[in-house]
Amino acid sequence: QQQVKQSPQSLIVQKGGISIINCAYENTAFDYFPWYQQFPGKGPALLIAIRPDVSEKKEGRFTISFNKSAKQFSLHIMDSQPGDSATYFCAARGAGTALIFGKGTTLSVSS
Amino acid sequence: GAVVSQHPSRVICKSGTSVKIECRSLDFQATTMFWYRQFPKQSLMLMATSNEGSKATYEQGVEKDKFLINHASLTLSTLTVTSAHPEDSSFYICSGGRLPVYEQYFGPGTRLTVT
Repeated sequence: QQQVKQSPQSLIVQKGGISIINCAYENTAFDYFPWYQQFPGKGPALLIAIRPDVSEKKEGRFTISFNKSAKQFSLHIMDSQPGDSATYFCAARGAGTALIFGKGTTLSVSS
Repeated sequence: GAVVSQHPSRVICKSGTSVKIECRSLDFQATTMFWYRQFPKQSLMLMATSNEGSKATYEQGVEKDKFLINHASLTLSTLTVTSAHPEDSSFYICSGGRLPVYEQYFGPGTRLTVT
């Protein structure tokens, strides 16, 4: 119930392409779904987050799509760039609890 | 805004010694702080949650006598790894949250190597 399942484990995308990472959860008490970007040797940085009362949120090239009935959410990176190469983590939490992280997706954007 | 710092960024210590890691929220008051551990190419695993002025709540399997957490103020939390062993070598990351604690802001992490 506490797990957040993330796929794929790794992803290779050509420059300018769309990167898509998916996550699924079981706990219906979760009500906050962020995505984090992490570069090697650094702490994770918040990219974008969504609450379940909306189905999509866009910030620049990053979009979260949220499907409450399916308990799934995904990150879309439009016009992917080599500088986007990093590990991406989805996460989820309920009120007053700590974030539970997915296992991460290593994205490589080839130039 | 919402910057969290950690000190030191890297530390090497000998087996059996203790190491203290500081986590500070620089521009906000963190009512709750979280400590995570991350092994190479793995996800972040929550170790403990602490609220200012209260005892930390540890996740199952985390030894509270080995990983001492103090959250003495709204801007400072410390993690002390006592009697460190090589298997404690890891990347330790703290994060701070504000009530109602939805967004968590992460520090840059501390790389601990125990020889």
